[in-house]
Amino acid sequence: ETGVTQTPRHLVMGMTNKKSLKCEQHLGHNAMYWYKQSAKKPLELMFVYSLEERVENNSVPSRFSPECPNSSHLFLHLHTLQPEDSALYLCASSHTPGGYTEAFFGQGTRLTVV
Amino acid sequence: GQNIDQPTEMTATEGAIVQINCTYQTSGFNGLFWYQQHAGEAPTFLSYNVLDGLEEKGRFSSFLSRSKGYSYLLLKELQMKDSTSYLCAVMDSNYQLIWGAGTKLIIKP
Repeated sequence: ETGVTQTPRHLVMGMTNKKSLKCEQHLGHNAMYWYKQSAKKPLELMFVYSLEERVENNSVPSRFSPECPNSSHLFLHLHTLQPEDSALYLCASSHTPGGYTEAFFGQGTRLTVV
Repeated sequence: GQNIDQPTEMTATEGAIVQINCTYQTSGFNGLFWYQQHAGEAPTFLSYNVLDGLEEKGRFSSFLSRSKGYSYLLLKELQMKDSTSYLCAVMDSNYQLIWGAGTKLIIKP
């Protein structure tokens, strides 16, 4: 248990569905991240929120929409996904980026788009 | 561009020592991290190096040479539970983590 909780752990969705991934941390961190991890590829940073404001959006398709209502919660809203979006989606949190800051990861959501 | 290189897979024997190398080319450097990740699970923090030299933590040690853009993770007295993936990540000048693709370590009895 790392202090970062993600739900659901597994998700299968059709290309026309809308679903949301949830992430919650109670570590007192003020930065939260969404990563995509595909097989045998480096972790891809999707979004960064620092102090509840989005500070990074690495050219992620608009079918992925993040939401950070407060410093403890982060959502990733999904709609009209493609099969190539199937991957492990990891949430992480840390103190505000800058200097030494270890990231704590959630267990991830294994997403399969059919 | 920014790049982190580490071997895709390594094999070692239980009880032995293994060294996993990581080389990097990044815009700026604010530290290098090693994480362990079991399949389908969360990466967990192992070590952090920002100055040259060796950091020892039990059976695991991590080394950094900033001038060579090089690090290694040294695992001693290997146990079967160490069979998993190890990720190298560098924090660049924008304090963003750049990740390697991970090294899968296979340990044989």
